Amino acid sequence: EDQVTQSPEALRLQEGESSSLNCSYTVSGLRGLFWYRQDPGKGPEFLFTLYSAGEEKEKERLKATLTKKESFLHITAPKPEDSATYLCAVQGTQGGSEKLVFGKGTKLTVNP
Amino acid sequence: KAGVTQTPRYLIKTRGQQVTLSCSPISGHRSVSWYQQTPGQGLQFLFEYFSETQRNKGNFPGRFSGRQFSNSRSEMNVSTLELGDSALYLCASSLVRGSQETQYFGPGTRLLVL
Repeated sequence: EDQVTQSPEALRLQEGESSSLNCSYTVSGLRGLFWYRQDPGKGPEFLFTLYSAGEEKEKERLKATLTKKESFLHITAPKPEDSATYLCAVQGTQGGSEKLVFGKGTKLTVNP
Repeated sequence: KAGVTQTPRYLIKTRGQQVTLSCSPISGHRSVSWYQQTPGQGLQFLFEYFSETQRNKGNFPGRFSGRQFSNSRSEMNVSTLELGDSALYLCASSLVRGSQETQYFGPGTRLLVL
């Protein structure tokens, strides 16, 4: 069964203090690994999709990387508006379905 | 391009009642997936519909059901509501043109069961 574990559960940073969020996964065959951002009371907002080990994607202060067992979301010089819960999900090759398996998320708080 | 829309946004029901939630996918998207989000369990997959057919189903009891219409709009029904069904119900749509697709989520329907 596909599984996703995210760490840490919560992270507090000062504005400008860079850090990384971890997503470890086990999947029978990886079609894609997804990162979403979720603000309180809202639906997840798509950030990145990674398809193969070694792939990297960047967007503003965020950079996502992928290995065969884990993915990292690096946040460089974060700002208070980056505060949110970051969700990692995997999509496997079995079943021919769009099903995503999510981790529990990392709640990021960036203090000014 | 309009995003995924869900109605209603908020709902209060009592135990034993049933509820129907609606989801309109992004125009042109043919796959609609439903997820339940709770503080304890996180996001859990309920089911996926593609071209009016259920393509996959998560580990939820038969009280949870859904359907998809020819215009790709989808509905989810929960019968005999229980207190534990209180959650944020999220709908996501994707294009499904190849093997690499992204799911885009709606704002969710917040269901409270009293």
